[in-house]
Amino acid sequence: AQSVTQLGSHVSVSEGALVLLRCNYSSSVPPYLFWYVQYPNQGLQLLLKYTSAATLVKGINGFEAEFKKSETSFHLTKPSAHMRDAAEYFCAVSDKNQFYFGTGTSLTVIP
Amino acid sequence: EAGVAQSPRYKIIEKRQSVAFWCNPISGHATLYWYQQILGQGPKLLIQFQNNGVVDDSQLPKDRFSAERLKGVDSTLKIQPAKLEDSAVYLCASSLVDGRAGELFFGEGSRLTVL
Repeated sequence: AQSVTQLGSHVSVSEGALVLLRCNYSSSVPPYLFWYVQYPNQGLQLLLKYTSAATLVKGINGFEAEFKKSETSFHLTKPSAHMRDAAEYFCAVSDKNQFYFGTGTSLTVIP
Repeated sequence: EAGVAQSPRYKIIEKRQSVAFWCNPISGHATLYWYQQILGQGPKLLIQFQNNGVVDDSQLPKDRFSAERLKGVDSTLKIQPAKLEDSAVYLCASSLVDGRAGELFFGEGSRLTVL
């Protein structure tokens, strides 16, 4: 079975600082990987996805993620945090059109 | 393009009562999902439809939860009778393609509080 592990349920960064949210996956086949963002009282919105093309994936709002097969990781980064980035972030892996979500990381941005 | 529509947005009921949630996916999306998201947790798949057929309902508590997608378009999720632990946000999502790369499009969710 596929699964993802998100290290750190809460991350706090200062405005303008680097954002790093960690995700490790387990998959028996080449995975399709996703990062979703959830703002309060809203559904999940796709940030970016990896589908076996370029290993460095650029998404919306300045986020990007790098697929590292050797480390089975798909960490999400953003060079400079903004207040509007405060939200819950979910990593997900997909297999046969079934999606498996991590437990989420809550990002707080400190002014 | 209209997104995934869900209703109601909020519902408060007492335990042992029943509740129903409705979802209308994006037009043309064959795959529809219902997820349960308990506070502080990631979404957990309850049921997945491909058109009007069930693909996966292995995590659906079938003694109290039921879902249908009769015409392969909109869907209803019902809970009867509700328990306190059913308090959660119920997310509906749809996907266009039948394949692993299909992006999920989510509705805003229906928040259920069971007292």
